[in-house]
Amino acid sequence: GQQLNQSPQSMFIQEGEDVSMNCTSSSIFNTWLWYKQDPGEGPVLLIALYKAGELTSNGRLTAQFGITRKDSFLNISASIPSDVGIYFCAGQYSYGKLTFGQGTILTVHP
Amino acid sequence: DGGITQSPKYLFRKEGQNVTLSCEQNLNHDAMYWYRQDPGQGLRLIYYSQIVNDFQKGDIAEGYSVSREKKESFPLTVTSAQKNPTAFYLCASRGQGVNQPQHFGDGTRLSIL
Repeated sequence: GQQLNQSPQSMFIQEGEDVSMNCTSSSIFNTWLWYKQDPGEGPVLLIALYKAGELTSNGRLTAQFGITRKDSFLNISASIPSDVGIYFCAGQYSYGKLTFGQGTILTVHP
Repeated sequence: DGGITQSPKYLFRKEGQNVTLSCEQNLNHDAMYWYRQDPGQGLRLIYYSQIVNDFQKGDIAEGYSVSREKKESFPLTVTSAQKNPTAFYLCASRGQGVNQPQHFGDGTRLSIL
């Protein structure tokens, strides 16, 4: 099936630092989504991107839909301990089927 | 509260046994999905349904079966043919509209006894 390459696989940062992660694909998507998953729970939608070039913010989170429609990045500014978790990117086709990246495990040291 | 409810939270399966995982949503969503999550991996699609009484295989459907008799319910059966069923199973649903995102339940963790 489709593959999304998400990097980095894991990050260890100090509280207050900024974080950046990205996803690339060999295929074009209509929508890029970013989810966060806490241990033992389902993923929660953080940001949805619908147009190539779109830059969207949600509090300290900023995400962009790449111009080529094959990539996306997520930035977290001024990280706090509750940002800990696994972050997933997902590309969506118009009929709703998602392809997920492998996830980025974020650890924040106080 | 509106949402997606998965049950049970934890489930144990004996060898040769079929088990059924429940997924119910009260969001009036047409489309529903089942994913499997293994440690260190992303989510992989098992089955999906875009309308009642219709469903399609995803990328890893072997050893699983589903039904969609009601709009709000999409149960997943893990059959004895699935030789490595230990995983975290996630159900999602999605509203109408070309770019509507999927929203997830809290998952069921299935283990082998």
